Amino acid sequence: EVQLVESGGGLVKPGGSLRLSCAASGFTFSSYSMNWVRQAPGKGLEWVSSISSSSSYIYYADSVKGRFTISRDNAKNSLYLQMNSLRAEDTAVYYCARERGSGSYYSWGQGTLVTVSS
Amino acid sequence: DIQMTQSPSSLSASVGDRVTITCRASQSISSYLNWYQQKPGKAPKLLIYAASSLQSGVPSRFSGSGSGTDFTLTISSLQPEDFATYYCQQSYSTLRTFGPGTKVDIK
Repeated sequence: EVQLVESGGGLVKPGGSLRLSCAASGFTFSSYSMNWVRQAPGKGLEWVSSISSSSSYIYYADSVKGRFTISRDNAKNSLYLQMNSLRAEDTAVYYCARERGSGSYYSWGQGTLVTVSS
Repeated sequence: DIQMTQSPSSLSASVGDRVTITCRASQSISSYLNWYQQKPGKAPKLLIYAASSLQSGVPSRFSGSGSGTDFTLTISSLQPEDFATYYCQQSYSTLRTFGPGTKVDIK
């Protein structure tokens, strides 16, 4: 069974940092591009970042570029999101998602909540 | 960046109704369009990929069509479990974007 389990969310002050993790199991993690998608409370889905299977290609939404860093460790079947210079508008549930060849996300984690507030 | 719009933003329908949701891209995205269903407090679920391909395990009452800039998601006969919010997403650009969502609730 495919499982994606996010962790690392919590309450952080504006300007602070947080590192999210996503533990993958049930599939060959090293074969898939992975993504982070977030959802602010009561709002829609926003794509945050993607990383190719071998980390050769990395992309960010303009809203997080220069502040967030996506990475992965294929030996540990894990995906990460380092979030720096956090702002109130980064408050959201962060999901990790497995990508298929068409660019669709067909496996999702349960999400982890990040709250940026003083 | 490619902007995605959806219409309507919300709709009320009854069980058994045929429901159509429209998604439009700000530029041609060929068939790189995906549809998701999300229920409150849950992660999104992939319904349709590549504009018209049904994800495994998704009921056949869901269908997708379109190419270029205009796409539709159709639910042929709305069931109680289909009341949810639906999002389109383009995967043509490496900078992915979602539509704002369409909430389907009970009339």
